[in-house]
Amino acid sequence: RKEVEQDPGPFNVPEGATVAFNCTYSNSASQSFFWYRQDCRKEPKLLMSVYSSGNEDGRFTARLNRASQYISLLIRDSKLSDSATYLCVVDPGRRALTFGSGTRLQVQP
Amino acid sequence: EAEVAQSPRYKITEKSQAVAFWCDPISGHATLYWYRQILGQGPELLVQFQDESVVDDSQLPKDRFSAERLKGVDSTLKIQPAELGDSAMYLCASSTTGIGGYTFGSGTRLTVV
Repeated sequence: RKEVEQDPGPFNVPEGATVAFNCTYSNSASQSFFWYRQDCRKEPKLLMSVYSSGNEDGRFTARLNRASQYISLLIRDSKLSDSATYLCVVDPGRRALTFGSGTRLQVQP
Repeated sequence: EAEVAQSPRYKITEKSQAVAFWCDPISGHATLYWYRQILGQGPELLVQFQDESVVDDSQLPKDRFSAERLKGVDSTLKIQPAELGDSAMYLCASSTTGIGGYTFGSGTRLTVV
């Protein structure tokens, strides 16, 4: 079983739609959680950290459910520029960050 | 905004040849990582440095890969000999204490022919 699992997609949504991605992780001792965004053939860039209480950054909302070991990312009012791959990332503690394989989002006009 | 520098951006090499990648982390970042990302997959850790010391190289194929960070600043990752399956993006990242998100360089895209 992979340490971090994501639905690869693609998720094809129209502009203005709300879309949600989920991610599950296997290591219950994991300390911190992040979402990274990766554009085609570019490096991953930190989108947001995920806090236990949940957090928002503009149109983006991240949630953490430690009991069920899953993380979610909600994007409201999708823009064409949101088209990218979204990587779920887990800090397992005492090791480097572990990345999921990513969920591809395509926002269509 | 401070950046992680990597070179070259692209590299095409023939199998069995040697290839090397260079990374200069953000100034003051003690922790440096090399990740490999195969198309369609997430980045996978190859090696982690804390200053000049290797912290984790458990996933580094040591028969052909080597990495060093001699002065605890910039780092070199080498592959010798390269194999077709090594074609991937090689990403360098750094962080201050190993806690929190990392900053990645723009990567080196390696194609082995």
